[in-house]
Amino acid sequence: DTAVSQTPKYLVTQMGNDKSIKCEQNLGHDTMYWYKQDSKKFLKIMFSYNNKELIINETVPNRFSPKSPDKAHLNLHINSLELGDSAVYFCASSPRSGRGSTDTQYFGPGTRLTVL
Amino acid sequence: AQSVTQLGSHVSVSEGALVLLRCNYSSSVPPYLFWYVQYPNQGLQLLLKYTSAATLVKGINGFEAEFKKSETSFHLTKPSAHMSDAAEYFCAVRKGSGNTGKLIFGQGTTLQVKP
Repeated sequence: DTAVSQTPKYLVTQMGNDKSIKCEQNLGHDTMYWYKQDSKKFLKIMFSYNNKELIINETVPNRFSPKSPDKAHLNLHINSLELGDSAVYFCASSPRSGRGSTDTQYFGPGTRLTVL
Repeated sequence: AQSVTQLGSHVSVSEGALVLLRCNYSSSVPPYLFWYVQYPNQGLQLLLKYTSAATLVKGINGFEAEFKKSETSFHLTKPSAHMSDAAEYFCAVRKGSGNTGKLIFGQGTTLQVKP
């Protein structure tokens, strides 16, 4: 009965490789997000999607490409991985934003990406 | 522009002592404020949120926070710390509205609880 799940939990790869992280939510939420947490634990939003439509793109290099096949899934594909991409990536979801919404975001367990 | 600042990157308390984690916000509009907790190697879990209803907000695990507009603060407290409270705590403010809303997080505060 996991609410927001991510796979894989750990990902170790070489520079220059392409990798994907998958996220699924079974909460029926319309909006999903990707956050990056760096080595100093600072959290920053990368993208958000609402019902499969890209809403927020926070000056992230275009090597990062989110894809939302349906509103329950938001995957993150990263091309040509660099050392600086090493971080923990969190997926989150929230109910439809709008009047009366309190925008609580529910987070997945995170994917620790290590680029060697 | 909305932002939050957490004062103190590391707070250490004894078990049973008062927990006080500080958060100050900057917002040009009435803010939506949140406290999240991150246990080691886990995702973030919502502790509580302020959405312009009651200024004293009660959350899970005995935590509460008080919204003080005059001080632009939203400090998190717990009367008596437990060893299981050791974790990373994040204050966040919502920026934007509707579908463009997003969370802006503070730098985080590591809470250490000593026996």
